[in-house]
Formats: sequence, C-alpha cells, structure tokens
Amino acid sequence: EAGVAQSPRYKIIEKRQSVAFWCNPISGHATLYWYQQILGQGPKLLIQFQNNGVVDDSQLPKDRFSAERLKGVDSTLKIQPAKLEDSAVYLCASSLAPFRDRSYEQYFGPGTRLTVT
Amino acid sequence: AQTVTQSQPEMSVQEAETVTLSCTYDTSESDYYLFWYKQPPSRQMILVIRQEAYKQQNATENRFSVNFQKAAKSFSLKISDSQLGDAAMYFCAYRPRRTGNQFYFGTGTSLTVIP
Repeated sequence: EAGVAQSPRYKIIEKRQSVAFWCNPISGHATLYWYQQILGQGPKLLIQFQNNGVVDDSQLPKDRFSAERLKGVDSTLKIQPAKLEDSAVYLCASSLAPFRDRSYEQYFGPGTRLTVT
Repeated sequence: AQTVTQSQPEMSVQEAETVTLSCTYDTSESDYYLFWYKQPPSRQMILVIRQEAYKQQNATENRFSVNFQKAAKSFSLKISDSQLGDAAMYFCAYRPRRTGNQFYFGTGTSLTVIP
C-alpha cells in the first residue's frame, strides 16, 4: 500500500513570494489534514478535509493561506505572500472517514520543509 | 479545551536500558484515543502505540508499552531495551472518539540513545 505522498520535499523562497505544496493521501482515505510544524514544536492543525469539504480550518491564517481538495483526493496548500514566520515543515496526513473501523489511525507524509528568507 | 502536555523537552537513555516519557492531557470527553508517535530525523511521523480510553488494560507493542491513568489523565510511554534506532522526537497525541477526527499533539520529547 502506497503511503502519503508530498511534494516538494524542500522549498526555499523569499518573503512575499508565493508557494504551493501538494499532497496525495492513501487511497480510500476520506480525511486529509495539513499541519504546520515549527522547529521544536508539535504539529499544529491548519486544515482538515473530509472528502472535498472543510471540517476545520479554524487555525488557518486565511489572509495568506489557502487549501483545496477539489476532487476529494489530492490537496494543495498555498501561501501567498509568505512571511519569515512561515518557515516550518508542512505535514500532510490522511485517515479513513470518522466512525470507520480504524479511522483513528492517521498516516503522515514525509513533509515539506519550507524556508522563507 | 483539549490540550496535551509533554513536560520533558529532552530525555536520554543508555542503550539497552529503559526510559519513560511523560504525557498529560486535559479533556472533558470520556471516550477518546491516545497515541505516541515517533518522528526520526527524516521527519516522517510514524505511529508507535495507541490506547483506547475505554480499555483498562495498558497497550503494549513489543518493547513499547504505556501506563494509562485515566483519572489522572496521564499517558506515559515506556521503552524497554532501548536501541540506537529509537532516537527520535516522540509526540503524544489525543483524539476524541465522537466526531471530527481531529488530533491534538504535544510539543514533543527528544530522545537520545547513548551507545
């Protein structure tokens, strides 16, 4: 079974530039998460999708961050314009839909390390 | 509010020895899951062990076991016979069972294994 795929693995941009990250979840996983992990901290949920609908985006800085999952499979996360404090690893994860057996298991991708200079 | 606290930013253990990582959480829910995740330097987070709150028996996975104290809202991870490959960041996480699938993570404990 293929895992969660993310690209790119690394990205360096200057502040005020834009950047996009891509995530392909495990096949059949209805729930997809984007996390921001700042160095030395635990992952912080930015947005959670169930199929192509948003379940929770309360911690997404909507003035500069956006995310979509148009067909309920792949997802993209965009930052525009980037700030220095956006430097972090952006993790994508997926799980089965709520109330499905083993829906509590969350699988992570390798992450994208973003450096904003 | 649901929070997860890991009070040990760093821990070290001698190879082949045992180490315990601490985690406490705060919730008003009665049914939930608790997890320990491992994040090696390569950054991919992997699940180490999980505990269902309604189960009294502590979960065990090979050298990894937990001490789940529901009343105290404590969930510690014990690693026995530590190996060099156990060196990583360890995150405690919580997920309510009822809806939403949202996970809450602690700030992590960096484990060093000394040869």
